[in-house]
Amino acid sequence: DVHMTQSPSSLSASVGDRVTITCRASQTTSNYLNWYQQRPGEAPRLLIFAASRSQGGVPSRFSGSGSGTDFTLTISSLQPEDFATYYCQQSFSTPATFGGGTRVEI
Amino acid sequence: QVQLQGSGPGLVKPSETLSLTCSVSGVSIRSSTYYWAWIRQTPGGGLEWIGNIYDSGLTYYSPSLGRRVTVSVDPARNQLSLNLTSVTAADTAVYFCARALYYFDSAGYGYYFDYWGQGMLVTVSS
Repeated sequence: DVHMTQSPSSLSASVGDRVTITCRASQTTSNYLNWYQQRPGEAPRLLIFAASRSQGGVPSRFSGSGSGTDFTLTISSLQPEDFATYYCQQSFSTPATFGGGTRVEI
Repeated sequence: QVQLQGSGPGLVKPSETLSLTCSVSGVSIRSSTYYWAWIRQTPGGGLEWIGNIYDSGLTYYSPSLGRRVTVSVDPARNQLSLNLTSVTAADTAVYFCARALYYFDSAGYGYYFDYWGQGMLVTVSS
């Protein structure tokens, strides 16, 4: 299985801050890397697929980058509704595997 | 509008079988553009893929769950089902059904989970 490691596991930031979350794979996943946001009590919501492609309806402040084993999710200007946990997930190989999550506290 | 609605018991006794259903609306479960998956979230927050099924009926399951898991579809009812046998407390989790959309590029193909059910908490306890 491809092991996904996210860092940090949690962070505190203020409204308007630029936030960066990293995800590292134990082996190459090409660009088959997705990012999800999960608010408390809700299902995960797709933000980014194929490492850098935004899902429809996702605010432009969310962006993704990277390839191979190292990926980044950036929130350019943090908003109050961005309080959530963020997960990466690789689709390069089966089984699909997720990172452990990064909790963003406002 | 695509919607996934899960249902099933919230409490299962140890050694028994966990059975969940996901009703899909807004899209045919037989579409070849998608496949259908079950994912669970442990009390600690980790997300674990359980298994998926393609329109052809082909299934893939998590090696860690082995032969305990079965995923099936009922095209007539447009429903997805999960059976997990011989459950233990370690199977206590929130269970999600999800749709996976796959895409092709120069390197091969990838997929992402674009629609999810609301999540169902299943507790394994006597």
